[in-house]
Amino acid sequence: GAVVSQHPSRVICKSGTSVKIECRSLDFQATTMFWYRQFPKQSLMLMATSNEGSKATYEQGVEKDKFLINHASLTLSTLTVTSAHPEDSSFYICSARGLAGGNNEQFFGPGTRLTVL
Amino acid sequence: SQKIEQNSEALNIQEGKTATLTCNYTNYSPAYLQWYRQDPGRGPVFLLLIRENEKEKRKERLKVTFDTTLKQSLFHITASQPADSATYLCALDSWGKLQFGAGTQVVVTP
Repeated sequence: GAVVSQHPSRVICKSGTSVKIECRSLDFQATTMFWYRQFPKQSLMLMATSNEGSKATYEQGVEKDKFLINHASLTLSTLTVTSAHPEDSSFYICSARGLAGGNNEQFFGPGTRLTVL
Repeated sequence: SQKIEQNSEALNIQEGKTATLTCNYTNYSPAYLQWYRQDPGRGPVFLLLIRENEKEKRKERLKVTFDTTLKQSLFHITASQPADSATYLCALDSWGKLQFGAGTQVVVTP
């Protein structure tokens, strides 16, 4: 199956710093990538949808100036958490959907655990 | 968006038995519904997709049903194994985006 990687897998930073998370589709071209956030024992919450070469679409309640998303190529999307605060600590997961495929399947990355001190 | 309900209590089951998980939704029936497996500290892994015009889908020891009248999907793991222990998420299509339930943890004991 298709593989999606995320880097880093785990990051600890000080409050006020910015953190960049990369999401890559390794063996297919992803026209659309999605960014989710998951708090313990809760469901994945969609933060934003990004299409290659265009601006991301953010879900209601997600600050676009705080969570910067760039989808510069068909295999790479980045999420930058700007001026991170402890309440931003969470598990961030990306997924990618390819050009082909009739089942609308999304392939998920392994996730990035962000801890803001 | 709609409310998606999955049993919040963990399902403890003996090896070899069938585990049955429920996913209920409240509003419109989606074009398709998906089930994922998630292990601790990992991203979800796709298991099965079922469309609104399909009643049942099978893959190896997994079976999914979809009842648009009841607004419910059932997920079955037959002949369960300890390796099946994980959290299982249902996800509904919502205009090309997925909306997830909180998941049900399954614990299979030898």
